[in-house]
Amino acid sequence: DAGVIQSPRHEVTEMGQEVTLRCKPISGHDYLFWYRQTMMRGLELLIYFNNNVPIDDSGMPEDRFSAKMPNASFSTLKIQPSEPRDSAVYFCASSLGPADVQYFGAGTRLSVL
Amino acid sequence: SQQGEEDPQALSIQEGENATMNCSYKTSINNLQWYRQNSGRGLVHLILIRSNEREKHSGRLRVTLDTSKKSSSLLITASRAADTASYFCATDKGNKLVFGAGTILRVKS
Repeated sequence: DAGVIQSPRHEVTEMGQEVTLRCKPISGHDYLFWYRQTMMRGLELLIYFNNNVPIDDSGMPEDRFSAKMPNASFSTLKIQPSEPRDSAVYFCASSLGPADVQYFGAGTRLSVL
Repeated sequence: SQQGEEDPQALSIQEGENATMNCSYKTSINNLQWYRQNSGRGLVHLILIRSNEREKHSGRLRVTLDTSKKSSSLLITASRAADTASYFCATDKGNKLVFGAGTILRVKS
């Protein structure tokens, strides 16, 4: 397996634009996690899915953020409209269980100007 | 608030020396994990230690867990320049992992 695949690796956009981040988890993993990493706040869990169903979205900062998992091999994190304070590295991870070993993608570095 | 807190925040050592990083947590756990993050990369799992284990080894890594003190340590022996990275502990809280702020390790050659 190629591991967790995220795209794009880098995204530069202007304030107010819609941003969509994509993730393909490891095949057979039932859990998918979206994290945000900044220098100020460290690694924050935004939302996680179990068998394509959102379980805990308490980390999603506001309604501008939304996440979907239409099938077991694909998830998106959307920010609409984007703001400069959304600039961060966004990671997707997958695992067999909620507190098992997590496998991280390479991340998407988002810059909102 | 974070479940795990690493100490020190940053550590700089010479190649060949040992590096020790500590993690403290607040509530009871089932397991504790350590991850490494190289600059510009995602986190990579290093080792998992369960609450009924006291010590675990993997190559040059040694992890200890003291549940009475709610703390864990990661020891990297005979460090190499390639060990330069951030190291995070993660504890299970409810049905998810909570990551600490990390220790930045710099190994000078």
